[in-house]
Amino acid sequence: DAGVTQSPTHLIKTRGQQVTLRCSPKSGHDTVSWYQQALGQGPQFIFQYYEEEERQRGNFPDRFSGHQFPNYSSELNVNALLLGDSALYLCASSLGQPNQPQHFGDGTRLSIL
Amino acid sequence: TQLLEQSPQFLSIQEGENLTVYCNSSSVFSSLQWYRQEPGEGPVLLVTVVTGGEVKKLKRLTFQFGDARKDSSLHITAAQPGDTGLYLCAGTSGTYKYIFGTGTRLKVLA
Repeated sequence: DAGVTQSPTHLIKTRGQQVTLRCSPKSGHDTVSWYQQALGQGPQFIFQYYEEEERQRGNFPDRFSGHQFPNYSSELNVNALLLGDSALYLCASSLGQPNQPQHFGDGTRLSIL
Repeated sequence: TQLLEQSPQFLSIQEGENLTVYCNSSSVFSSLQWYRQEPGEGPVLLVTVVTGGEVKKLKRLTFQFGDARKDSSLHITAAQPGDTGLYLCAGTSGTYKYIFGTGTRLKVLA
């Protein structure tokens, strides 16, 4: 039973560029959430996708956008990258109801030069 | 704004010692989860608590949800080097947004 998979594992970009990160949820899960984890801190909620729609969003600017596909996989897009966007980006999958436990992938380490 | 504060931030102990990590908020949560994260990996779910006063045990780990559902604790008995990692609590209030704590970095020395 495959868990949550994310790609790529590492990525280096320069300021102003755009990036797309990908996530495949755990088998049987229909909901995907994205988090940003800065070094030494806890994850910060970016947004959650369910039924191909963004249904909850954290305090992140519009430069952060996403998409969910019919097979429940998801993408996170970040435009106009800033140095401060350097972080570990985590994807978590769960079932669609509130208060469900989340299962995380190992993340994509994004470095902005 | 909901916040979850964890204490202590850092903890270094000898193998065999006991420890408690705290997760506190001024907000009420409908459920709270504890995770452990190791370097280069994503957080791994340890437990979910949903009822005020609930106590759950996972081998040497004991988790408690406060009666008012505003706080939680994680107690480890006879810590082992394999317990080393970043411990995170995360709460939700019936929405789909999870608030994570600041984390407690535990190091258990052999």
